[in-house]
Amino acid sequence: DTGVSQDPRHKITKRGQNVTFRCDPISEHNRLYWYRQTLGQGPEFLTYFQNEAQLEKSRLLSDRFSAERPKGSFSTLEIQRTEQGDSAMYLCASRGAGGSPEAFFGQGTRLTVV
Amino acid sequence: QKEVEQNSGPLSVPEGAIASLNCTYSDRVSQSFFWYRQYSGKSPELIMSIYSNGDKEDGRFTAQLNKASQYVSLLIRDSQPSDSATYLCAAPIKGSGYQLIWGAGTKLIIKP
Repeated sequence: DTGVSQDPRHKITKRGQNVTFRCDPISEHNRLYWYRQTLGQGPEFLTYFQNEAQLEKSRLLSDRFSAERPKGSFSTLEIQRTEQGDSAMYLCASRGAGGSPEAFFGQGTRLTVV
Repeated sequence: QKEVEQNSGPLSVPEGAIASLNCTYSDRVSQSFFWYRQYSGKSPELIMSIYSNGDKEDGRFTAQLNKASQYVSLLIRDSQPSDSATYLCAAPIKGSGYQLIWGAGTKLIIKP
C-alpha cells in the first residue's frame, strides 16, 4: 500500500496521559500536514512540515501538542496531559513537491479521552 | 465571512438525479479548490480539484468555479446510494504553505 499510513487507528486514553501518533506519508511526498477533526466540522489545521522543517503551526495549538518529522520521512504528533477536549480524529496528509497542490489523507487516528 | 462556507444540509436527492453542492469563499483563500468526500468515521478522500474558471468534468462529477461570484460547485450526475456521504470543500489560505481551510461539509443523502 503506497498511500498515507497512520498508526494507531484508534486510541482510548485516560485524561492526563500522554499519547503519540505516527504518520508515514506517501514516499515521494516531502510535505506533511496534521489536521484535527471533530464531529460535524471540517478538518482544522494543526501543523505543516516541508521535509524535516516544521514551517507552520496553528495558533490554536497549545503547548501540550508537539510534532516532529526527523529525517523528513515519518512524523509523530504527541499530546501531553490529554484533556477530554482533545477527543477528535487526527488526520495526516501529504503532498508532493513540484507544485502539485493535491493533498492525500491517511485513514486517521481517532482519539477518545475518558 | 468565513473563509470557506458550505450549507451543512442534509441534502436529499433521489437516486439517478443530479446532486448539486455549493461552496462560497472569501478573498483570504488562494483560488485552488478541492472537493473531498468523507464517509462516516473515515478520512476525507480527494475527488476533484479545480483551479480555473469554468467547468471540469471527471466521470459523473463536474466541478464548477466562478471567481467573479466567489463560489465553487460540485455536481454529481446519476446519483447512486454509494454517493451518500459528507462533501467537504477546501482551499489553501493565501500566503501559507498550502494550509487548507475547510468548509464544515454538506451531508448528501441519495434516496433509492
